[in-house]
Amino acid sequence: EIVLTQSPGTLSLSPGERATLSCRASQSVSSDFLVWYQQRPGQAPRLLIYSTSIRATGIPDRFSGSGSGTDFTLSISRLEPEDFAVYFCQHYGHSVLFGQGTKVEI
Amino acid sequence: QVQLQESGPGLVKPSETLSLTCSVSVGSISPYYWTWVRQTPGKGLEWIGYIFYNGATKYNPYLESRATISVDTSKMQFSLRLTSVTAADTAVYYCARQFRYFGQLDVWGQGTTVTVSS
Repeated sequence: EIVLTQSPGTLSLSPGERATLSCRASQSVSSDFLVWYQQRPGQAPRLLIYSTSIRATGIPDRFSGSGSGTDFTLSISRLEPEDFAVYFCQHYGHSVLFGQGTKVEI
Repeated sequence: QVQLQESGPGLVKPSETLSLTCSVSVGSISPYYWTWVRQTPGKGLEWIGYIFYNGATKYNPYLESRATISVDTSKMQFSLRLTSVTAADTAVYYCARQFRYFGQLDVWGQGTTVTVSS
């Protein structure tokens, strides 16, 4: 079974800084099926990026995704106050698997 | 703009069956997958399973023996039943729409908290 490991667990940054979040798969996966979500407190997850690098409708271009094989990255170029949240990666294959999340905090 | 809304009891007794329904506001049930996901502080996000409009289903292997997802296309609803619940099934339960190819969940319900307790 594939396991998704996100790092770091918590990222402490300031508004305006760049955030780099990692999602590592325990075995190579297709980049077609790697997805990122944002979750703010008390809200449902929100789709950010699918197929590794395609931004979902309405997602600002400060969010970008990259990677292949086992290593995938979500980057936020300049953190806005509303970007401080928890971010999850997800893989879609024989089942749907989520990483444990990275919290981006001020 | 499609919206999803979960409904069902917020409290279930141990060993009983958890039943939730998700109502889809507009659009068509096909050609998407309709998915249930739950979230706990300890285990994070956990996929439960999904159903296609024709009734085809796929489940998390760890929950497959206890979970059943069904769909009523005429009512634009899909449902989750989880049998023999324990405290470990206490979670926020979300329904979501899932794209069939890339697998992204693009529309989510607001979530409903289910507590398993006597």
